Amino acid sequence: QKEVEQDPGPLSVPEGAIVSLNCTYSNSAFQYFMWYRQYSRKGPELLMYTYSSGNKEDGRFTAQVDKSSKYISLFIRDSQPSDSATYLCAMSAGTGRRALTFGSGTRLQVQP
Amino acid sequence: DAGVTQSPTHLIKTRGQQVTLRCSPISGHKSVSWYQQVLGQGPQFIFQYYEKEERGRGNFPDRFSARQFPNYSSELNVNALLLGDSALYLCASSLVVFRGRPYEQYFGPGTRLTVT
Repeated sequence: QKEVEQDPGPLSVPEGAIVSLNCTYSNSAFQYFMWYRQYSRKGPELLMYTYSSGNKEDGRFTAQVDKSSKYISLFIRDSQPSDSATYLCAMSAGTGRRALTFGSGTRLQVQP
Repeated sequence: DAGVTQSPTHLIKTRGQQVTLRCSPISGHKSVSWYQQVLGQGPQFIFQYYEKEERGRGNFPDRFSARQFPNYSSELNVNALLLGDSALYLCASSLVVFRGRPYEQYFGPGTRLTVT
């Protein structure tokens, strides 16, 4: 079983829809949670970063963490065709010299 | 501001050959990490370097090695290439703080390695 599970999709939505992307994890030591966006054949781009449980909002993006359920989500409001990409969740156990553990990514397609 | 840079962008090697990939971190960042991303999967951690010392290693064979230079740039070396080493190799830099605010990792565009 992988430490981080993510539905690979593809997820296809119409422009303007609210998108919900999710990851589950098994390692209770994870405390820091990130969402990256990756366009085809490019490096991942950091979108959101959260610590422990709770919500964080940045523009059209909202990240939620529920440590009791080992479940994290990324919501995208008013989705745009330019949001079409693969979204990767990543998590880390602590500060300093800690590697990121990634999910396999969810491919999102926003239809104009 | 320049982000993380990697070179080359793409290269093709034959099985058994050796390859060296290069990374320059964001100015002011002292930590570099290397990840391997196979098509259709998320990145997998290979190495982390901080202040020229190896600080973490993932589950990769000894054919993989790396180093960090005094200017914080880094090289990843892979010996005796296998077909399965074909992947996007990503470098990430971070400003490491050991207390308080945790670090964030910023990725470069990657080097796409094809082994034939």
